[in-house]
Amino acid sequence: SQQGEEDPQALSIQEGENATMNCSYKTSINNLQWYRQNSGRGLVHLILIRSNEREKHSGRLRVTLDTSKKSSSLLITASRAADTASYFCATNHGGGAQKLVFGQGTRLTINP
Amino acid sequence: GAGVSQSPRYKVAKRGQDVALRCDPISGHVSLFWYQQALGQGPEFLTYFQNEAQLDKSGLPSDRFFAERPEGSVSTLKIQRTQQEDSAVYLCASSTSTVRGTDTQYFGPGTRLTVL
Repeated sequence: SQQGEEDPQALSIQEGENATMNCSYKTSINNLQWYRQNSGRGLVHLILIRSNEREKHSGRLRVTLDTSKKSSSLLITASRAADTASYFCATNHGGGAQKLVFGQGTRLTINP
Repeated sequence: GAGVSQSPRYKVAKRGQDVALRCDPISGHVSLFWYQQALGQGPEFLTYFQNEAQLDKSGLPSDRFFAERPEGSVSTLKIQRTQQEDSAVYLCASSTSTVRGTDTQYFGPGTRLTVL
């Protein structure tokens, strides 16, 4: 069963606007990762944030983590048509487990 | 360099047939993972190898699912007596480190299995 919940399930914005996606989880984490999946293609790793970090940046991506609320957000600034994809958060819960637990994803559509 | 590769990319099986899905991880990657992704859902963990050792198979849905990595490199996921509910994309991922959960997992393109 999947532990993460993502919000919204679908998001449609105009090119150039910012897109924000949220992820919540239920139990404590070792780290949280965001992935992108284009239609018919594999998952591409975007960014990893550790449990002792609060914010990370990578290019046009900004990820925040609030462990007290068990939530994370992914912000994509100045969106482009090529950003159209599904975005997944994935958590690692430590305790000897290497596996990632994925949310159900947010389907992002950038309209030209 | 080459990423994770999987074959076949698409597989159609009749209900009751056995299938074998192959994963070639990134060279030198110690850890290998299999995930199952149903349509419209996020991936779900199936099993994990560290070199040739299968350290976690808690996600395998039934004893019809079997995975191996005999030489610590290529891995095969086998599904016996396939059922319609096995239809999904099967994703393989690899990572470099044995340090628990801190390394990026690199995913292959997946094998889309359709059971008729």
